[in-house]
Parts: sequence; C-alpha cells; structure tokens
Amino acid sequence: AQSVTQPDIHITVSEGASLELRCNYSYGATPYLFWYVQSPGQGLQLLLKYFSGDTLVQGIKGFEAEFKRSQSSFNLRKPSVHWSDAAEYFCAAADNYGQNFVFGPGTRLSVLP
Amino acid sequence: EAGVTQFPSHSVIEKGQTVTLRCDPISGHDNLYWYRRVMGKEIKFLLHFVKESKQDESGMPNNRFLAERTGGTYSTLKVQPAELEDSGVYFCASSLYGQGKYEQYFGPGTRLTVT
Repeated sequence: AQSVTQPDIHITVSEGASLELRCNYSYGATPYLFWYVQSPGQGLQLLLKYFSGDTLVQGIKGFEAEFKRSQSSFNLRKPSVHWSDAAEYFCAAADNYGQNFVFGPGTRLSVLP
Repeated sequence: EAGVTQFPSHSVIEKGQTVTLRCDPISGHDNLYWYRRVMGKEIKFLLHFVKESKQDESGMPNNRFLAERTGGTYSTLKVQPAELEDSGVYFCASSLYGQGKYEQYFGPGTRLTVT
C-alpha cells in the first residue's frame, strides 16, 4: 500500500539553527512529492514540489528538499530557522496524474528564541 | 486571487445531529477534493470532484457522508447523523484540470467536534 512516513512527530530547534525534516515514501512508482506547511488557523501552504529532473528542489521561505530515489526519501531542509517557521509540516506523495494524494502524519516544529 | 475558503471554521454539534460543511474553490478550478484529519493522524482523502461529477469517492468512510457540488462551483459535505468518530478537521482543496496542473490549493479547514 502507498504510504508516507515522517519519523519525527515533534522537533524543537533554536532560532538560527539548521533544520531537516525527514520524509520517506512507499509507492508503486516514483511519485510526485510535496511538502506543505500549516500554520495555526491557516490552510496547507505548498512549500515545494518534485516531479522530475533536478533532485534538489528549491521552495518558498528559504526551504529546499532533496529527492533520493535509493532511500525513498524527500527530506526538507532550511539552513537557518526563523521563529515564524514554527508550524506543522506535511510531506505528501501523489501519482503521475497528481491524484491519489497520500499524506504523512506531520511533524510539528517548535522554534526557541 | 481569492484562495480556497471553507465555512464554518469550527462546528460543535451533538452526536446524532446533522452538519453541513461548505467549500468554495478557487475560481476556475475544476478539481475539488475533500480530505479529513482525525485525532492528529494522517490527512486522509475523502473524495474528488471534476466539475460537478464525482471522480473518486473511495475515501468516503460510510453512507452518513454525502458530498455535492452544485453546478461545478462550491461543494458541500453533509454528515448525517454525526458520530463521535467524525470529529476532526475537514480540508478542501482545488486544482486546475489538465496535464501538468498538479498543485492542490488547500483551504484553512473546518474543525468539527462531535460531543
């Protein structure tokens, strides 16, 4: 069955520190991959997406993610975290038609001043 | 451009009552999706409309849930009668129709609490 896992339920980092959120997927073929962020009271906002091509993808708000086929991973990174990055982050996978979205359970990020 | 909107933002009802959630997609988006997140678990797909037609409703949990999309514009999701396990956050998303149009835009969600 198709699945997306995010091993870390909750991560706390200090402002200015680097961040890496992990995501692994299990899919029949290489899926389309997404990272979404949800701030309190807000909808899910797309940070970045991977369809094909360059395995290092740049997104909004200074985030990037690297697709590693051999590890079935799509980890999200940011070199320096800002307090406003505190939110919940969701990794998601979809088929090659952009359908059958499967979400991970989410990782809640807390940022210490 | 207005985003996806959902109403209400929060609904508290008693078990056995009926609740109707509404989603207004981004104008011009033919694809409309409903998702649900229960008890902090994964966000789960419920169903997918293309215009007014149900393309995929494989995620609908049971026949207490009824989704409609009148005229291919806004959509409603009715839960009748509501049960305790229906509590959660219901998200709506929309996207353009056509090859390469894969990005789904999400609304803020409706938090449903069944007591």
